[in-house]
Amino acid sequence: GEDVEQSLFLSVREGDSSVINCTYTDSSSTYLYWYKQEPGAGLQLLTYIFSNMDMKQDQRLTVLLNKKDKHLSLRIADTQTGDSAIYFCAETTGFQKLVFGTGTRLLVSP
Amino acid sequence: DTEVTQTPKHLVMGMTNKKSLKCEQHMGHRAMYWYKQKAKKPPELMFVYSYEKLSINESVPSRFSPECPNSSLLNLHLHALQPEDSALYLCASSRRQDGTEAFFGQGTRLTVV
Repeated sequence: GEDVEQSLFLSVREGDSSVINCTYTDSSSTYLYWYKQEPGAGLQLLTYIFSNMDMKQDQRLTVLLNKKDKHLSLRIADTQTGDSAIYFCAETTGFQKLVFGTGTRLLVSP
Repeated sequence: DTEVTQTPKHLVMGMTNKKSLKCEQHMGHRAMYWYKQKAKKPPELMFVYSYEKLSINESVPSRFSPECPNSSLLNLHLHALQPEDSALYLCASSRRQDGTEAFFGQGTRLTVV
């Protein structure tokens, strides 16, 4: 199957770290992605990781990949209210196709 | 310029209407995509164009007809839609043909009445 699972909701306080988790299904996926979607808007590519890496850091974002468990996570350091959005993980399953996770709604309170 | 521009932003159409959604990018990307996103759901792939040729059609009903007139433009022609086709339609493009690093537009929110 092609179900990519994420927890539905995460609530944090401003300044805390947020960790969003994703379990993907296709062990042959070469790239795994994190996208951000604000209300009524399109998708913004935040970062991605190649499958032969286990960690990637990009400013406040840290991606961890555990290929054995097919587990991907996104850590946002010093979370701000502007980070409130829905976060989707995604994998490439075969040629050209992105399969998205179910999405995690992040709510950051002041 | 890392923008994918979609027009219109909002569209309301009747079930007997014919309308078109437009998408434009000037990043030199040769792969372009249409995705459909229902409320509270993740986007789902509809079509992929590579070098202006249709390479993937995810069993989309024929009332949706894609067109790629040139390497910068992608259209989605709509005819005889149903209310259940109401959704956010997202266009994306990528430099690589394997779909990596896809940039998305802001979407067209379509309501079929």
